[in-house]
Amino acid sequence: KAGVTQTPRYLIKTRGQQVTLSCSPISGHRSVSWYQQTPGQGLQFLFEYFSETQRNKGNFPGRFSGRQFSNSRSEMNVSTLELGDSALYLCASSPGPGYTDTQYFGPGTRLTVL
Amino acid sequence: GEDVEQSLFLSVREGDSSVINCTYTDSSSTYLYWYKQEPGAGLQLLTYIFSNMDMKQDQRLTVLLNKKDKHLSLRIADTQTGDSAIYFCAERNSGNTPLVFGKGTRLSVIA
Repeated sequence: KAGVTQTPRYLIKTRGQQVTLSCSPISGHRSVSWYQQTPGQGLQFLFEYFSETQRNKGNFPGRFSGRQFSNSRSEMNVSTLELGDSALYLCASSPGPGYTDTQYFGPGTRLTVL
Repeated sequence: GEDVEQSLFLSVREGDSSVINCTYTDSSSTYLYWYKQEPGAGLQLLTYIFSNMDMKQDQRLTVLLNKKDKHLSLRIADTQTGDSAIYFCAERNSGNTPLVFGKGTRLSVIA
């Protein structure tokens, strides 16, 4: 079974721009979560989607948004980029509620904001 | 809120056992996980344990859970240079809550 895929793997943007990251979950998984990883803050939860609905949201500003499509693929968007948004963005998929919901991670998208 | 603490660094000699420790504050933590991250890569799930278990063994990996002290450990037997990575402890108190991660322990294996 193919793992979680994330595109693109690397991105360079400038302050003020916006960016969209994509995540395709493991086949059959219906839940997708997004995390931000930085050297200072470590791994922080952004949001989780299940069946196209946001189930949980972390403590991030409204510039960070996401969505999930009917095929369970998910995108996250960051508008008005700031230097502090430079990070590795990780997507994780899991079967969904009712299971142990163990999360499997993709390789991440490394975003650099100049 | 929930907090997960890990020591930042561990150095061991090849062939020795490594023990990575983790403490958590949420007494209702139900699921506890160990993930491995190699340079430039995402997180690889190594193993997990449920709160109704004390120990889980999976090949070279042994997880011990002390619920009273809220302490979790990961033992890697016969540590190899390929085990050099950052190891993250994570917990969640139900299938409906997000994972809470520690800051990670960087394991260096000396040949």
